[in-house]
Amino acid sequence: DAGVIQSPRHEVTEMGQEVTLRCKPISGHDYLFWYRQTMMRGLELLIYFNNNVPIDDSGMPEDRFSAKMPNASFSTLKIQPSEPRDSAVYFCASSSQGERLGGYTFGSGTRLTVV
Amino acid sequence: KQEVTQIPAALSVPEGENLVLNCSFTDSAIYNLQWFRQDPGKGLTSLLLIQSSQREQTSGRLNASLDKSSGRSTLYIAASQPGDSATYLCAVRNSGNTPLVFGKGTRLSVIA
Repeated sequence: DAGVIQSPRHEVTEMGQEVTLRCKPISGHDYLFWYRQTMMRGLELLIYFNNNVPIDDSGMPEDRFSAKMPNASFSTLKIQPSEPRDSAVYFCASSSQGERLGGYTFGSGTRLTVV
Repeated sequence: KQEVTQIPAALSVPEGENLVLNCSFTDSAIYNLQWFRQDPGKGLTSLLLIQSSQREQTSGRLNASLDKSSGRSTLYIAASQPGDSATYLCAVRNSGNTPLVFGKGTRLSVIA
């Protein structure tokens, strides 16, 4: 398996623009997580899915953020409109109850810069 | 609410030293604990995963221990090398259905 795949690797956008981050989890994993990493706050959970269903989105900062998982092999995180304070590295991770008893595999992340 | 703390925040050691990184968590009823490595500008690589029923896990020069009752884990790195320089993150999962909660990491520098 190629691991968790995220795109794009880097994104630079202007304030007010819509940004869409993409994630392909490991095949067979039934959990998918979106995290955001900043120097000040470390890694923060934004939202996670189980079997494509959102379970907890309490970490989503505000209504400008939304996430979807239309099928088991694809998820998106959208920010609309984007603001400079959204600049961070966004990570996607997946895991499975059955494989390695819940160990996570992370993607390489998307570095977002909003100017 | 689970909170994870890692001490120290940064550590610099000469090559060849054995070292210990510390992790503590407030809720001892965990499902598992995972140590990750993160190189600058890169993603997270899983190093060791310890289930709640286990006391330690080893991989090469790395050994992670878990003391659930005291809410502590340590990552021991033997004979450190400059290539070990990275940020090490500890994370715990309270149940099989809940996400990992991360500490802020320890930034390690091994000086040749």
